Amino acid sequence: GQQLNQSPQSMFIQEGEDVSMNCTSSSIFNTWLWYKQDPGEGPVLLIALYKAGELTSNGRLTAQFGITRKDSFLNISASIPSDVGIYFCAGTPLNAGGTSYGKLTFGQGTILTVHP
Amino acid sequence: NAGVTQTPKFQVLKTGQSMTLQCAQDMNHNSMYWYRQDPGMGLRLIYYSASEGTTDKGEVPNGYNVSRLNKREFSLRLESAAPSQTSVYFCASRASAYNEQFFGPGTRLTVL
Repeated sequence: GQQLNQSPQSMFIQEGEDVSMNCTSSSIFNTWLWYKQDPGEGPVLLIALYKAGELTSNGRLTAQFGITRKDSFLNISASIPSDVGIYFCAGTPLNAGGTSYGKLTFGQGTILTVHP
Repeated sequence: NAGVTQTPKFQVLKTGQSMTLQCAQDMNHNSMYWYRQDPGMGLRLIYYSASEGTTDKGEVPNGYNVSRLNKREFSLRLESAAPSQTSVYFCASRASAYNEQFFGPGTRLTVL
């Protein structure tokens, strides 16, 4: 099936530092989504991207839909302890025919640890 | 609005036992999904329901069945649980016009 390569797998940073993570695919995607999962909880949507080149911010978070439509990145500025968690990218591949019914392909996640 | 709710939150089964995981959403979404999450594997789609009255297999459907009871509810059934089905199960829903899915809090299942 589809694969999304998400990197890095884990990050250990100091409070106040900026963070960058990305997702790449061998196929074209028409939607990119970024989720955060806190321990013991379900994923929560952070940012949704629908157009190639689109740059969207949500507070200290910024995400971009790559112009090749095969990648996306998420930046977190001035990290704080509550940023700890697992960040997932997800997307819907451009379907050659028929409809995808909104089925998402997920990256394997980036585990973020923030030291106070 | 509660969003997506799941019951139970935790469950321990013995091999061969059956159980049904319940999911409900109050956002009037047409599509609903069941995922499993295993360490290092991300989220994998088990089954989905594009609309009320339809269900289809996802990436890892073996050992599971689903029922879209009505627009609000989508249940996942394990007929004969196996240790390989130990996982965290998430339900999600989506409005038709968008690809954004909204997740429930999960059910943590252990099969001994």
